[in-house]
Amino acid sequence: DAKTTQPTSMDCAEGRAANLPCNHSTISGNEYVYWYRQIHSQGPQYIIHGLKNNETNEMASLIITEDRKSSTLILPHATLRDTAVYYCIVRVAYNQGGKLIFGQGTELSVKP
Amino acid sequence: DTAVSQTPKYLVTQMGNDKSIKCEQNLGHDTMYWYKQDSKKFLKIMFSYNNKELIINETVPNRFSPKSPDKAHLNLHINSLELGDSAVYFCAVTGTGTYNEQFFGPGTRLTVL
Repeated sequence: DAKTTQPTSMDCAEGRAANLPCNHSTISGNEYVYWYRQIHSQGPQYIIHGLKNNETNEMASLIITEDRKSSTLILPHATLRDTAVYYCIVRVAYNQGGKLIFGQGTELSVKP
Repeated sequence: DTAVSQTPKYLVTQMGNDKSIKCEQNLGHDTMYWYKQDSKKFLKIMFSYNNKELIINETVPNRFSPKSPDKAHLNLHINSLELGDSAVYFCAVTGTGTYNEQFFGPGTRLTVL
């Protein structure tokens, strides 16, 4: 079973920031938070990951609370092409096998 | 060049048939996976191979048999297809020495009639 909970769906206006929350209250000390997204009919795509510090890359920012029990993925200027299902996953990095356990994700709709 | 490719993209077949889906990667990574996404959109791991060796088998029926002829390929053979096998099957790849970021293929939509 997935170790994360996310809202089922969210809307965001084009050009605004999209803030996607994730709860992972049972996260272990050696588990990272990963975010993937799946645009309709495509394979999932890696976005970002973090352990305890906030992270930023060209796609998004990841804010992890100090107690690591929740996080927020931020798409700073959402576009229509960001409409997708966003998955928050916790897992150990460098894990042989390294399977991803997907939950239901958040369906983000970016609207004009 | 596509990092992870799958063939075919669509596969329609009758119940009871045997079919194969192929996956090829040009990333040079060690670990490959098969995931299944059902009609309710849940993505679930099926198999994982590392250097041609099976390391994860998530209680998948033995009608499903993955085969890895070399590090660049992981094929999925399905015997005696059933209606419930209809799904989108994704191949994914990850490498050691990274944070296990997984690269997914475009998927194969299998429809069993």
